[in-house]
Amino acid sequence: QQQVKQSPQSLIVQKGGISIINCAYENTAFDYFPWYQQFPGKGPALLIAIRPDVSEKKEGRFTISFNKSAKQFSLHIMDSQPGDSATYFCAASIETGANNLFFGTGTRLTVIP
Amino acid sequence: NAGVTQTPKFRVLKTGQSMTLLCAQDMNHEYMYWYRQDPGMGLRLIHYSVGEGTTAKGEVPDGYNVSRLKKQNFLLGLESAAPSQTSVYFCASSYQQGEAKNIQYFGAGTRLSVL
Repeated sequence: QQQVKQSPQSLIVQKGGISIINCAYENTAFDYFPWYQQFPGKGPALLIAIRPDVSEKKEGRFTISFNKSAKQFSLHIMDSQPGDSATYFCAASIETGANNLFFGTGTRLTVIP
Repeated sequence: NAGVTQTPKFRVLKTGQSMTLLCAQDMNHEYMYWYRQDPGMGLRLIHYSVGEGTTAKGEVPDGYNVSRLKKQNFLLGLESAAPSQTSVYFCASSYQQGEAKNIQYFGAGTRLSVL
C-alpha cells in the first residue's frame, strides 16, 4: 500500500516552461514533506522540503505548494531547463523517531530544448 | 569527503546464493537506512538503524538481514537470494538531531540481479 501517491509518472516540458508534479498522502501524522531529485546512475539528493505549518516554500526556481486540508502537495519548477531532467520523488515522514521516509513512485521529467 | 559509499556497484547472483552489501559513511551520522528501488514503486525502506548495535524493520524487511556493528558501517545481507530481490539498493544516512536530521544522504546504489 503506497502511503504517498505521486503523479504523473512521466512529464515532458519545453525549456522555459513550468513543470508540475503532484503528491497526496493519507497519514495525517506526517509532518515533514521533502522532495528528492535523482539523476541516472546516482542516488537521490534532497532538493527542497516543507512542513505543514506553511502553504508554500520557494527556493530559486523550485516551489512547494502545500494544502493541508486536502492532504496534497506539489512541486513547481519554473523556467525548466534541460539540466532539470531527472526523476523526482516526493516523500513524507514523521519527524519524531527515526524520521523514516515514505516515498512516492517517482516522476521522470524530461526538459526538451 | 566520500559521503556514503556502497560496495559492490553491480552484482549478479543465482537463486539461493547469499551475499552482503556494504554501506560506509564518513559523516559520523547516527542514523542509517537501506532502501530498494523498483520501477513504478519508488524507494521502499528495508531496514534502518538509529545507532551502533541497533536495527529495526522498515516497510519490506522479509528476506533481508542487517547489522550495524560499527557506527560508520551498515550491512545488508541476503541469505538466500530470490528473483524478486532483483532491484537497485540504496543506502542512506543522516544526523540524529536538529534540522540536519531531515536530510538523508544517499549512496550511488548497488544494482543486483538474481537469476
